[in-house]
Amino acid sequence: LAKTTQPISMDSYEGQEVNITCSHNNIATNDYITWYQQFPSQGPRFIIQGYKTKVTNEVASLFIPADRKSSTLSLPRVSLSDTAVYYCLVGGGPRTGGGNKLTFGTGTQLKVEL
Amino acid sequence: DARVTQTPRHKVTEMGQEVTMRCQPILGHNTVFWYRQTMMQGLELLAYFRNRAPLDDSGMPKDRFSAEMPDATLATLKIQPSEPRDSAVYFCASGKPGLGSYEQYFGPGTRLTVT
Repeated sequence: LAKTTQPISMDSYEGQEVNITCSHNNIATNDYITWYQQFPSQGPRFIIQGYKTKVTNEVASLFIPADRKSSTLSLPRVSLSDTAVYYCLVGGGPRTGGGNKLTFGTGTQLKVEL
Repeated sequence: DARVTQTPRHKVTEMGQEVTMRCQPILGHNTVFWYRQTMMQGLELLAYFRNRAPLDDSGMPKDRFSAEMPDATLATLKIQPSEPRDSAVYFCASGKPGLGSYEQYFGPGTRLTVT
């Protein structure tokens, strides 16, 4: 069962790039890494998912080193509206069998200021 | 814009009472997840279903919690009897299989307070 840890909080300013790292030393071969964003009183919202190397979409990039024991979510040019809690989730999927547990990280509170 | 709906949004009950939470997944999503979120434990997976069949409920206290999916448009999470330590926000999420793991869409949650 992958145990995932994240920094409790991070501060940044508008327009800067923010990198949030998740540590998952016990990641299994079939596990994927997914990142979610959560605003107060809302459910988490999907940001990005990857297995290895680098994945990029319109809102973020995900970097995963070869050993896959950590991952980094990169948010380019953050704004005030990016202030939220960010979670990594480690686990498998339908093509990798139903036995992979889904484990959320501890969450990182990102605060963006002017 | 398809969304997961959960009812009720808030529930206050007394210890020992039965609590039922309902979830309507996004049409066409074949996987439904139940999570619990607390300040102390964070987000915990309780159970999940694929094509209405339970795949994993190892995160759920079996003596008092039960999860079912009577049809493709309804998932339920029941607590009987409820205890103060069950106070939390309960999220339902529905997912579609991606190339790897699930892309999950979360509902707004049910905030449960057990006194």
